[in-house]
Amino acid sequence: AQSVTQLGSHVSVSEGALVLLRCNYSSSVPPYLFWYVQYPNQGLQLLLKYTSAATLVKGINGFEAEFKKSETSFHLTKPSAHMSDAAEYFCAVTSGAGNNRKLIWGLGTSLAVNP
Amino acid sequence: EPEVTQTPSHQVTQMGQEVILRCVPISNHLYFYWYRQILGQKVEFLVSFYNNEISEKSEIFDDQFSVERPDGSNFTLKIRSTKLEDSAMYFCASSEATGPYEQYFGPGTRLTVT
Repeated sequence: AQSVTQLGSHVSVSEGALVLLRCNYSSSVPPYLFWYVQYPNQGLQLLLKYTSAATLVKGINGFEAEFKKSETSFHLTKPSAHMSDAAEYFCAVTSGAGNNRKLIWGLGTSLAVNP
Repeated sequence: EPEVTQTPSHQVTQMGQEVILRCVPISNHLYFYWYRQILGQKVEFLVSFYNNEISEKSEIFDDQFSVERPDGSNFTLKIRSTKLEDSAMYFCASSEATGPYEQYFGPGTRLTVT
């Protein structure tokens, strides 16, 4: 069975500081990994994805994530936080096998950016 | 840019009533999904749909739930007799038939059961 753990339900950073949101996964098959962002009162927007190509993945809004198989991690980073980055961030995994494509989600990390 | 749309944005219903949540997936996508997010909890998979049939469903998706693709554009989730615990945000998503399998989400329908 697959699972996702996001360490830290709330992360607070200063504007301009490094953002690091942690995600660890468990999967018995090669995973496909995703980060989604949810702004207040909005839907889920795809930030970036790992699909077995490059291990360092770049996404929208300056975010990137690195797939580390040995650590079963897919942490999300951004060098310099902006006020507009304040949102809920979700890590998700799927096996992508056949027709079984359900996303398994982490609990989410709420990012606050302080001026 | 194509997007998934959902209606209504907010639905209030009384316990025991039937509700239908509607979604219009991205037009060339062939996989469709419903997820829900109870306030303060993680997003949970409900059901996936492909080739006019359910391809996978979770334990949550019991006999009270059903999905349908009544025409070439809409994808609906029906809850026959709503319970208080069905109150949640319901998200519809769609994806292409081939990799890399990213799912595109609609803005959600907030269902409140009173």
